[in-house]
Amino acid sequence: KAGVTQTPRYLIKTRGQQVTLSCSPISGHRSVSWYQQTPGQGLQFLFEYFSETQRNKGNFPGRFSGRQFSNSRSEMNVSTLELGDSALYLCASSLSGEQYFGPGTRLTVT
Amino acid sequence: QKEVEQDPGPLSVPEGAIVSLNCTYSNSAFQYFMWYRQYSRKGPELLMYTYSSGNKEDGRFTAQVDKSSKYISLFIRDSQPSDSATYLCAMSEGGSTLGRLYFGRGTQLTVWP
Repeated sequence: KAGVTQTPRYLIKTRGQQVTLSCSPISGHRSVSWYQQTPGQGLQFLFEYFSETQRNKGNFPGRFSGRQFSNSRSEMNVSTLELGDSALYLCASSLSGEQYFGPGTRLTVT
Repeated sequence: QKEVEQDPGPLSVPEGAIVSLNCTYSNSAFQYFMWYRQYSRKGPELLMYTYSSGNKEDGRFTAQVDKSSKYISLFIRDSQPSDSATYLCAMSEGGSTLGRLYFGRGTQLTVWP
């Protein structure tokens, strides 16, 4: 069974721009969670989507948003990028609690 | 104080050693406990997934949860150089928030031949 895929794998953006990251979960998984990983803060939860509805939300500003489509694929969007948004963005999919992570998208903001 | 504390290491051991990795937490509502392994520039890989207190064994890996002490451990027997990675503990309250994991900062492990 194919794992979680994320696109793009690498991204360089300029401050003030916006970015959209994509995540395709494992087939049959309906829950998708997003995390930000930085050397300073570690892995921090952004939000979780289940059946196209946001079920949980972390403590990130409103510039971070997401959505989930009917096929369970998910996107997250970051608007008005700041230098501090440079990080590895990971998504994880789950069927019944166990979360399986994708390889991540490494975002660099210059 | 973070909800999940984990000694970042680094931890360096010879091949064949028994490795002990630990996390403590403050939220007594945590019921699901996980260990992930993350190689450099890769996504975390799920190693162990346990519910409530007790032990779980899978090959060379043993996970222990002591909810009364708010303490979890991962033991790696007969460690191999391929085990060199960062190990992350993670926890969830379960229920409607099962999809929200709280992570430790990770322990960097090096197993030298």
